[in-house]
Amino acid sequence: GQQVMQIPQYQHVQEGEDFTTYCNSSTTLSNIQWYKQRPGGHPVFLIQLVKSGEVKKQKRLTFQFGEAKKNSSLHITATQTTDVGTYFCAGRDNNAGNMLTFGGGTRLMVKP
Amino acid sequence: DSGVTQTPKHLITATGQRVTLRCSPRSGDLSVYWYQQSLDQGLQFLIQYYNGEERAKGNILERFSAQQFPDLHSELNLSSLELGDSALYFCASSLDIGGRQGDEQYFGPGTRLTVT
Repeated sequence: GQQVMQIPQYQHVQEGEDFTTYCNSSTTLSNIQWYKQRPGGHPVFLIQLVKSGEVKKQKRLTFQFGEAKKNSSLHITATQTTDVGTYFCAGRDNNAGNMLTFGGGTRLMVKP
Repeated sequence: DSGVTQTPKHLITATGQRVTLRCSPRSGDLSVYWYQQSLDQGLQFLIQYYNGEERAKGNILERFSAQQFPDLHSELNLSSLELGDSALYFCASSLDIGGRQGDEQYFGPGTRLTVT
């Protein structure tokens, strides 16, 4: 079945440093979504990417969808303590029942 | 506030017992999804209902079942509970109009289940 892997599992950064999490799918995706879960909270939708090679920005966050639509990345520039949380990617495969499969998440910790 | 409500927030029960978790989706959303999140783990998809009918099944144990009612709220039933069932259970809803499954999901606050 479809698998979505995320690396790294954990990342500690100093406030002001950049951060990147990578998402890789075993199958070609129709689209990919990103979610953020703050400690003690619930996942919150951030963005959806649909097109091959698509790049979207939200302030300090840059999301990319690979050309082959099998990988994606989230890059945060100059992290802040408010960025703390777990970032999940979730990929949708048209050939796998079109279900959303979540990656294991990357837990970001930011030292002030 | 996502607009998705879940009750109860916390549930403590003993092994072998049965519990029911409830979820009300955002107004207008037709799909309800259930996820299990164990401590520091990712989200494990359990089951999806769309407009009252089961749409997809994930890693849901036979001891677990769910249903979606005509008013679109959903219940997840967990029976013969084991210590390993202790986890955070999230419900999410999405519009999925026309049966498509491409819409973003809105998560509820979750129910924390502790089995002792």
